[in-house]
Amino acid sequence: DAKTTQPNSMESNEEEPVHLPCNHSTISGTDYIHWYRQLPSQGPEYVIHGLTSNVNNRMASLAIAEDRKSSTLILHRATLRDAAVYYCILRDLRNAGNMLTFGGGTRLMVKP
Amino acid sequence: ETGVTQSPTHLIKTRGQQVTLRCSSQSGHNTVSWYQQALGQGPQFIFQYYREEENGRGNFPPRFSGLQFPNYSSELNVNALELDDSALYLCASSFLRGGGTDTQYFGPGTRLTVL
Repeated sequence: DAKTTQPNSMESNEEEPVHLPCNHSTISGTDYIHWYRQLPSQGPEYVIHGLTSNVNNRMASLAIAEDRKSSTLILHRATLRDAAVYYCILRDLRNAGNMLTFGGGTRLMVKP
Repeated sequence: ETGVTQSPTHLIKTRGQQVTLRCSSQSGHNTVSWYQQALGQGPQFIFQYYREEENGRGNFPPRFSGLQFPNYSSELNVNALELDDSALYLCASSFLRGGGTDTQYFGPGTRLTVL
């Protein structure tokens, strides 16, 4: 799977929007963009995924650049519970398996 | 739909020993994956089982082995433990459809300490 680059850490204030960037300049046309997050002392949990179009769900929005070389996970109103490590992961739809290749992720800190 | 559970939550072993970690997948899921997460790093893929057969393996030596059972449970076995095996071990279950869109559901992990 192609490599992603994320900032090591970011800070946000509670109840403000948060934009978490991810660069994936070597993305291929068959790579889906997935986001998972890992809350303290828990396993990772799925947040959202997309291929080309922007996506929304109850947790977050995913904005994908037109050239697909970058994407942004948007939390519309950060809460203290959103403090976690956020992982941007590319998954090739041609892969028979569905294993995830995690990078270092972005540690999001939310201030009250 | 029950979540993914793992046991034990914590475990301490000494170098050279063997360990078995257990995972109970969500009902109906046909795939289980195991990951190793060292402190401060992202999880690293160990291997995946699909319908009780190994379906992919990461860069881990053969002393890491696994089993998947028909009752949605699975095991990770590690022989000849080394100090570097100290980590959080995560299992994740999913329903494999292919196509890069499957969601993996993770358990809380087993924290293994090797002394």
